[in-house]
Amino acid sequence: DAGVIQSPRHEVTEMGQEVTLRCKPISGHNSLFWYRQTMMRGLELLIYFNNNVPIDDSGMPEDRFSAKMPNASFSTLKIQPSEPRDSAVYFCASSRGTPGRIAVELTGELFFGEGSRLTVL
Amino acid sequence: GQQLNQSPQSMFIQEGEDVSMNCTSSSIFNTWLWYKQEPGEGPVLLIALYKAGELTSNGRLTAQFGITRKDSFLNISASIPSDVGIYFCAGQGENAGNNRKLIWGLGTSLAVNP
Repeated sequence: DAGVIQSPRHEVTEMGQEVTLRCKPISGHNSLFWYRQTMMRGLELLIYFNNNVPIDDSGMPEDRFSAKMPNASFSTLKIQPSEPRDSAVYFCASSRGTPGRIAVELTGELFFGEGSRLTVL
Repeated sequence: GQQLNQSPQSMFIQEGEDVSMNCTSSSIFNTWLWYKQEPGEGPVLLIALYKAGELTSNGRLTAQFGITRKDSFLNISASIPSDVGIYFCAGQGENAGNNRKLIWGLGTSLAVNP
């Protein structure tokens, strides 16, 4: 079975340029997460979606970051303009949440992609 | 954001030795999970624990959900070179909605000398 697919695997860009990272979650999973990983801060949750709807974007660093999920099989994380401090590995993860009384209940059983390593010069 | 206290930060051991690492939290969790990350890859779930006191094994790996619900332990027996990687603990709160977001430890980096 195909896992979470991320692209690009590596991106090197110059400060000020727009960066778009892409993710295809596992088919049938209804929750999608964007994480950023650095040595100093570890894994940070940026934003997550349930059934394509953004639920919590409190982890998005600032307005330069935006994420969309136009359908159940595709999501993007965009940084515009990029800065050197954005250099990190960005992971997309998906999971099959369980139906809750109000909304999808998150499960901790996440399936991660291989990550996109971003270097901003 | 909130993080778990994971220790040790790194370990360098000889092949065949047993390994033990743990995570503690000031908050009560309903779920504890252990993930492993190999170089150039994303984290992969090893073990999930759902009940205080639960002891679960996955091959040579054994994890326990602390009885206070504020800690968890992961043990690896008879380590082998392919155990190399970073091991992360993660906890999930007991309430519904946003409190169910995972809280992550900073990882334990394991190196195994053949």
